[in-house]
Amino acid sequence: GNSVTQMEGPVTLSEEAFLTINCTYTATGYPSLFWYVQYPGEGLQLLLKATKADDKGSNKGFEATYRKETTSFHLEKGSVQVSDSAVYFCALSYSGGSNYKLTFGKGTLLTVNP
Amino acid sequence: DAGVIQSPRHEVTEMGQEVTLRCKPISGHNSLFWYRQTMMRGLELLIYFNNNVPIDDSGMPEDRFSAKMPNASFSTLKIQPSEPRDSAVYFCASRADRGNEKLFFGSGTQLSVL
Repeated sequence: GNSVTQMEGPVTLSEEAFLTINCTYTATGYPSLFWYVQYPGEGLQLLLKATKADDKGSNKGFEATYRKETTSFHLEKGSVQVSDSAVYFCALSYSGGSNYKLTFGKGTLLTVNP
Repeated sequence: DAGVIQSPRHEVTEMGQEVTLRCKPISGHNSLFWYRQTMMRGLELLIYFNNNVPIDDSGMPEDRFSAKMPNASFSTLKIQPSEPRDSAVYFCASRADRGNEKLFFGSGTQLSVL
């Protein structure tokens, strides 16, 4: 079946540090890949996505590249801010049809200190 | 748009009591999802509705859990009888079909069963 594995947290960084959160997946075919972010006390929000190999998703300074050869979709940001403190979820899905659903990783807690 | 609205935000109840969680999806969205989030298991899909019809309920833990969607603007998740191990954050999410894969999450219901 489909699965997503992401690095376990928590991750603690100082402001302006470089961030990488690793994500690898197992799936048949060619899924779409996503990063969702959950701020304290809120629901998840879509951060970025990529729908095919070599696509790069980007938003708010975050980037992730769909690597089919390594089945990975690592999240990166060059300079984190305190406001980036949140839980980050990697996810995959297959589009098309009405039986669509997301498979999420377990989440990685990021804390950014001033 | 007010987004996906869930109620209550917090629910504390005693073991054996019935619990009903409510969700109002974004107007015009065809798909509705109920997720459960715990530290141990992460984010789990419980049930998925499309056009008010349950499509996939394979994630519903057991017969104590039931979900309904009587119309396009309302869904409930009921636990009867509740148990301490049901304590978790329950999220409702909705999505528009027509090739859009983005899920919109509510703020969740924090359930504590004592």
